[in-house]
Amino acid sequence: DTAVSQTPKYLVTQMGNDKSIKCEQNLGHDTMYWYKQDSKKFLKIMFSYNNKELIINETVPNRFSPKSPDKAHLNLHINSLELGDSAVYFCASSQAYSTVHFGNGTRLTVT
Amino acid sequence: SQQGEEDPQALSIQEGENATMNCSYKTSINNLQWYRQNSGRGLVHLILIRSNEREKHSGRLRVTLDTSKKSSSLLITASRAADTASYFCATGGSEKLVFGKGTKLTVNP
Repeated sequence: DTAVSQTPKYLVTQMGNDKSIKCEQNLGHDTMYWYKQDSKKFLKIMFSYNNKELIINETVPNRFSPKSPDKAHLNLHINSLELGDSAVYFCASSQAYSTVHFGNGTRLTVT
Repeated sequence: SQQGEEDPQALSIQEGENATMNCSYKTSINNLQWYRQNSGRGLVHLILIRSNEREKHSGRLRVTLDTSKKSSSLLITASRAADTASYFCATGGSEKLVFGKGTKLTVNP
């Protein structure tokens, strides 16, 4: 059973477009995250949600808008995509701030 | 800001050898975690060591923590080709994990 699943796995789009990445976790966790991993493998937190409420927003451009319809889902919408947005985006979840479980990532390529 | 720094950046060994990766961090911590990332996959939690612990074992993994030097090491004994992956240390607690840049380990069969 997939614990943290995100779709799509690959996303190729042109500059200026708007795109969304969906994430679902079936672990019953209260906290969900979005992380961005750049081409040098540096992984940085973008957002953290606890019980559908935004907890952390790490100086991410407001073109990025997370949305949590319920505590099992955390989607990421990106407006006006830029070349620098190309990266791998990871959704993750944890329970009571214990160890973090990651999805397999969405590789976003902006051309 | 980036907290952990792994060393070396890349490590290539033969199957059966031991692999040691180091992590240095800057501020005080409650715990330190190690994660593994296989190519094209998400990170998988390996082990957590608390600030009051000096050493912890899990199977072929051994983690040490020296809070006076603000450093940790991950030792993988009797490595296997399947251990080929990137290894990251992380600090800050899961509410806001801060990762280093990772060590890319290649285990040659």
